[in-house]
Amino acid sequence: GENVEQHPSTLSVQEGDSAVIKCTYSDSASNYFPWYKQELGKRPQLIIDIRSNVGEKKDQRIAVTLNKTAKHFSLHITETQPEDSAVYFCAASYSWGKLQFGAGTQVVVTP
Amino acid sequence: NAGVTQTPKFRVLKTGQSMTLLCAQDMNHEYMYWYRQDPGMGLRLIHYSVGEGTTAKGEVPDGYNVSRLKKQNFLLGLESAAPSQTSVYFCASSPLGLGFVGNEQFFGPGTRLTVL
Repeated sequence: GENVEQHPSTLSVQEGDSAVIKCTYSDSASNYFPWYKQELGKRPQLIIDIRSNVGEKKDQRIAVTLNKTAKHFSLHITETQPEDSAVYFCAASYSWGKLQFGAGTQVVVTP
Repeated sequence: NAGVTQTPKFRVLKTGQSMTLLCAQDMNHEYMYWYRQDPGMGLRLIHYSVGEGTTAKGEVPDGYNVSRLKKQNFLLGLESAAPSQTSVYFCASSPLGLGFVGNEQFFGPGTRLTVL
């Protein structure tokens, strides 16, 4: 099956700085890589995703990059704001229709 | 549209008791999933379904059973609850397999289960 590792487990940044979260995956057949944001006590919500035929994707202050050769992908958040504080999960698809999630990164943005 | 809903929101069980968690979606999605979320471990797939009448095991299926008699509903059962099943349970649905463009997983609000 798929194995996804996510780093760091916690990340503290000053408001306005950038945050980067990195994930690696093991299954070379994986072709879909979503990122979810989960606020305390809430459900995970998709914030951005990327497919294996694309190297980078941007949506306002967030971007995701994918390196298929190295089997890693990263989430970049620029100009961080207090409302970006949450747990972020990366995931990789495997075996058609299933997702393997990373352990999560707690992001804290301090004013 | 309500999206994905789950009942109940909270539940406390004693060891050995049984219960069923209900997930419902009104988006006509084919795929449905049950996950459990434990601190520091992300979301782990328990069981999933690729269509009405089908079910399959995920990463951590032991101690759970599922049924999908209707396309819009996916039930998760615990026959004899154990303290190790204390967790937050999330249901999710997806239009089709994730290989299709635009087919993300939509999550329900979660059920917090405590087994004493």
